[in-house]
Amino acid sequence: AQKVTQAQTEISVVEKEDVTLDCVYETRDTTYYLFWYKQPPSGELVFLIRRNSFDEQNEISGRYSWNFQKSTSSFNFTITASQVVDSAVYFCALSEARAGANNLFFGTGTRLTVIP
Amino acid sequence: EPEVTQTPSHQVTQMGQEVILRCVPISNHLYFYWYRQILGQKVEFLVSFYNNEISEKSEIFDDQFSVERPDGSNFTLKIRSTKLEDSAMYFCASSPNYGYTFGSGTRLTVV
Repeated sequence: AQKVTQAQTEISVVEKEDVTLDCVYETRDTTYYLFWYKQPPSGELVFLIRRNSFDEQNEISGRYSWNFQKSTSSFNFTITASQVVDSAVYFCALSEARAGANNLFFGTGTRLTVIP
Repeated sequence: EPEVTQTPSHQVTQMGQEVILRCVPISNHLYFYWYRQILGQKVEFLVSFYNNEISEKSEIFDDQFSVERPDGSNFTLKIRSTKLEDSAMYFCASSPNYGYTFGSGTRLTVV
């Protein structure tokens, strides 16, 4: 069965601090996809990144970076020099690669508050 | 950039009434999904739709729910007899294969 665990329910940081959001997943499949979504107070789901299970290279996009470690089944997300606009709920999600539809399994989310 | 469009953005309905939530997926996408998020909780999978039929559904998606693609562009979620616990944000998503584009959601309030 698939499972995504985001152990950090809420995190508060002061602006310009770095912050890492943890994500641990479980799946029996060898081929799968991992995602991060941002949900700002307005409620929409904003796609941040997709990573397939065969690509363990870390990725950096501006102030965002992701650390995929297959050995520990983790896909952590770091925001460098946090800003107030980063305040949101962040969801990690897993999709197994199967024929047909591939639904997403979401973690419970981490609420990040960046204090000015 | 192509978008998934959901209407209405907010809906208030009385318990026991039927509601239809509408979605226009991205035109060349093949897979369509509905997800639900009860306030303050995680996003949960309801149903996936491919090749004009349901391909997978969760245990949440019971007989009160149905989905339809009536005209080749719209993708609808019908809740037959709403209950208070159906109050949630409902997200539609579409996908060409493994990428997902979510709509901005419909907030359903059952009173």
